[in-house]
Amino acid sequence: AQKITQTQPGMFVQEKEAVTLDCTYDTSDPSYGLFWYKQPSSGEMIFLIYQGSYDQQNATEGRYSLNFQKARKSANLVISASQLGDSAMYFCAMRGSRGDYKLSFGAGTTVTVRA
Amino acid sequence: DAGVTQSPTHLIKTRGQHVTLRCSPISGHKSVSWYQQVLGQGPQFIFQYYEKEERGRGNFPDRFSARQFPNYSSELNVNALLLGDSALYLCASSKYVGGNTDTQYFGPGTRLTVL
Repeated sequence: AQKITQTQPGMFVQEKEAVTLDCTYDTSDPSYGLFWYKQPSSGEMIFLIYQGSYDQQNATEGRYSLNFQKARKSANLVISASQLGDSAMYFCAMRGSRGDYKLSFGAGTTVTVRA
Repeated sequence: DAGVTQSPTHLIKTRGQHVTLRCSPISGHKSVSWYQQVLGQGPQFIFQYYEKEERGRGNFPDRFSARQFPNYSSELNVNALLLGDSALYLCASSKYVGGNTDTQYFGPGTRLTVL
């Protein structure tokens, strides 16, 4: 079984500042993938970034970077230079390599960017 | 290229009725997954289909069923609706199943309200 924990229900960040969203996970799969998605109030889940469990380097995509610490089972998302349009719910998700290939999601963190 | 499309956008039903939700994947994607997202929670996996075969099923009652067509589009059916079925239903498509790098891309969702 896979479990994703996001302990920050809501965060405020000033425009142009960086924000870190926490994610810890638990799995018995030897190989797995970690994903972050953004969900604006419209409801659509937008893929942001992916990190494989065997990747040596932390993933980066534009203003998004993933701070992957395998021994600590954490996969924190860092958003740099926050913009007003970054205000949304952010979900951490995992997919294992055995059995079904479902995504298991955390409870999410709401980010509000202030001008 | 068009993204994942879902129809209808919104739906209002009464208890005991039946509902059919539809999803068209990104062109070239052969796998479709369905998720239920209750307000304030992360999405929960319902089904995954690949090449018209069910590849995974979440912990949902038999009132929930799905199928995938030769053109890779999919339908989710829910019978005997309950108030607790009110949720955002998300469809996601990916190229394949298996391999934790296979990213799932989501549609805008169908918001179902059961009265």
